[in-house]
Amino acid sequence: DIQMTQSPSSLSASAGDRVTINCRASENIRVYLSWYRQRPGEAPDLLIFDAATLETGVSSRFSGSGSGTDFTLTISPLQYEDFATYYCQQTYTTPITFGQGTRLDMK
Amino acid sequence: EVKLLQSAAELKKPGESLKISCEASGYRFTDDWIGWVRQMPGKGLEWVSMIYPSDSDARYSPSFQGRLTISADRSTNTAYLQWRSLEASDTALYYCVRPIYSRGYYFDRWGQGTLVVVSS
Repeated sequence: DIQMTQSPSSLSASAGDRVTINCRASENIRVYLSWYRQRPGEAPDLLIFDAATLETGVSSRFSGSGSGTDFTLTISPLQYEDFATYYCQQTYTTPITFGQGTRLDMK
Repeated sequence: EVKLLQSAAELKKPGESLKISCEASGYRFTDDWIGWVRQMPGKGLEWVSMIYPSDSDARYSPSFQGRLTISADRSTNTAYLQWRSLEASDTALYYCVRPIYSRGYYFDRWGQGTLVVVSS
């Protein structure tokens, strides 16, 4: 299975800040990567697919980059509804696997 | 509008069987895959399984293969996840998802989740 490792596991920030979340794959997954946001008590939402393509209706405050084994999700500027947990997911091969999550808290 | 409406929460005893459901609407059910993701209490997301309703082609994560069964009913646009004998470790929130293929399968729609609690 392809292992996905996110860093940091948690971080604190303020509304208006710029934050970056990293995701590393255990092998080359080209651009087969998606990002999700999960607000407390809610189902996850798709933010980005194919490493850098913004899902329809998602704010342009979100952007994704990377290829191969290293990927980044950037949020700028942070808004209150962004304080949540973020997951990366590799879609290169089955079993589909997720990172362990990055919890973004309000400072 | 695409919607995935899941069945209500379940409280079961170890060894009991269970079938949870996910009714899809707003798109042609046989055109896309439909699947399940598990989230154990306080933990992350795990892909469980997915099925192509048009021909019932099913895929499973090795972690779940043999422990549960996915199925789909084209007449009611409903997907199911079934256990023959539940264990306490099956306690989790199960999300229904719609996998969309671009470069691999990403999940563009999620159901509201079905909480399964297995306790004696």
